[in-house]
Amino acid sequence: KAGVTQTPRYLIKTRGQQVTLSCSPISGHRSVSWYQQTPGQGLQFLFEYFSETQRNKGNFPGRFSGRQFSNSRSEMNVSTLELGDSALYLCASSPDRGLASDTQYFGPGTRLTVL
Amino acid sequence: EDQVTQSPEALRLQEGESSSLNCSYTVSGLRGLFWYRQDPGKGPEFLFTLYSAGEEKEKERLKATLTKKESFLHITAPKPEDSATYLCAVQARRGSTLGRLYFGRGTQLTVWP
Repeated sequence: KAGVTQTPRYLIKTRGQQVTLSCSPISGHRSVSWYQQTPGQGLQFLFEYFSETQRNKGNFPGRFSGRQFSNSRSEMNVSTLELGDSALYLCASSPDRGLASDTQYFGPGTRLTVL
Repeated sequence: EDQVTQSPEALRLQEGESSSLNCSYTVSGLRGLFWYRQDPGKGPEFLFTLYSAGEEKEKERLKATLTKKESFLHITAPKPEDSATYLCAVQARRGSTLGRLYFGRGTQLTVWP
C-alpha cells in the first residue's frame, strides 16, 4: 500500500506571496491532519479534515487554511507569507474508524522556505 | 492543558549500550499514546500505539511501555542505525480534539560504534 504523499517536496517563496501544498492520504484513510514543524516550536497541529469537513483547528492565524476533496486528498494554503512561516509542513492520514484511537501516518513533508 | 514532556533532550549511546527514553504527559482522558521515529529532513515514522496503563509493545530492539502518567521507550543493544529523533505524542479522548496529536519536543538519539 502506498504511503502518504506530499507535493511539492521543496518550495521557496518570498514574503507576501501565497502557497498551496498538497497531500494524498493512504488509500482508504478518511482523516487528514496537517502539522507545522520548526526547530523552535516542534510539531504543532494546524487542522484536521474528515469527509471534506474541518473537524479541528489549531492556534494558527487565518492566513492558514485548508480543504479536503471527496477523494480524501487535501490541500493547505498559506496566504501573505511571513519569514516565520518557513518550516516543514507535514500531512498525516488515519483510517478514523471511530472505535479507538487511530494511528496517524505521516508523509515526507514539504519544506517551505520564505525569503 | 494537554502537555507532553520528553527527556532527555539528547542522548549519546555506545553501540550495545541499552537505555530508556521518557515521555511524561498530562491529558484529560488519554485516547492513545504514540511513538514515532524521525530522521533528519523526513516525516515521522510510526513505531507504536499504546492505549492503557500496563500495556507494552515490542519491535526489534525497541520496547514501549505505558503508565498513567508516563511512557518509556526502552532501547536494547542499540545500533548506529537507531540514531534518530524519537517523538512521543498523545491524543485526548475529548471529541473537540479528535484527530489532534500533542507532540513532545523529542529525544535526539545518537548511537556511535
